[in-house]
Amino acid sequence: NAGVTQTPKFRVLKTGQSMTLLCAQDMNHEYMYWYRQDPGMGLRLIHYSVGEGTTAKGEVPDGYNVSRLKKQNFLLGLESAAPSQTSVYFCASSYSPIAYEQYFGPGTRLTVT
Amino acid sequence: DQQVKQNSPSLSVQEGRISILNCDYTNSMFDYFLWYKKYPAEGPTFLISISSIKDKNEDGRFTVFLNKSAKHLSLHIVPSQPGDSAVYFCAASVQGAQKLVFGQGTRLTINP
Repeated sequence: NAGVTQTPKFRVLKTGQSMTLLCAQDMNHEYMYWYRQDPGMGLRLIHYSVGEGTTAKGEVPDGYNVSRLKKQNFLLGLESAAPSQTSVYFCASSYSPIAYEQYFGPGTRLTVT
Repeated sequence: DQQVKQNSPSLSVQEGRISILNCDYTNSMFDYFLWYKKYPAEGPTFLISISSIKDKNEDGRFTVFLNKSAKHLSLHIVPSQPGDSAVYFCAASVQGAQKLVFGQGTRLTINP
């Protein structure tokens, strides 16, 4: 049981490049989330999904897109990366909104130069 | 608008003593609160939670206290151990909101 995994672990992009971060969970969770962590800012929600085929905006969605084509996967895309998107990205999943506990992946450290 | 605030970026405590981490919130609709622990290069892991119908929840060395009138919660760790050195995030949720709001985190260092 791997839990929540994230690919890649590290990435360096040039401004304007695009990339996709992959999150996978093997716990059959309905809910999945993408956060970014920046110094002094805590964890801020980018987008989330309440089930396969659904997505919704979080607190800081601008510059990101997401897709949930399969229940176990949640993809985060950056179409045109900017230096302000340099951050550590965490994916999380949970069984239901009533079970508030979320399980987090190990994170992806992204640097945009 | 920071709805969940951890005003102490860091805290240093001697091993064996009590660690007290604080968290304040502004949204009176929050009805569930959680604490997460994060080690470097790892994702946060759930530590303990409390519902707004309670004022205290205990799990081993960890106790969370909720003061609804003051919109304040605290995490007590006693006795503190070196392995408790980590960043601690508090988080809050409104029932049915399907998402958590996190504080900025407090870095706890336990000194031998």
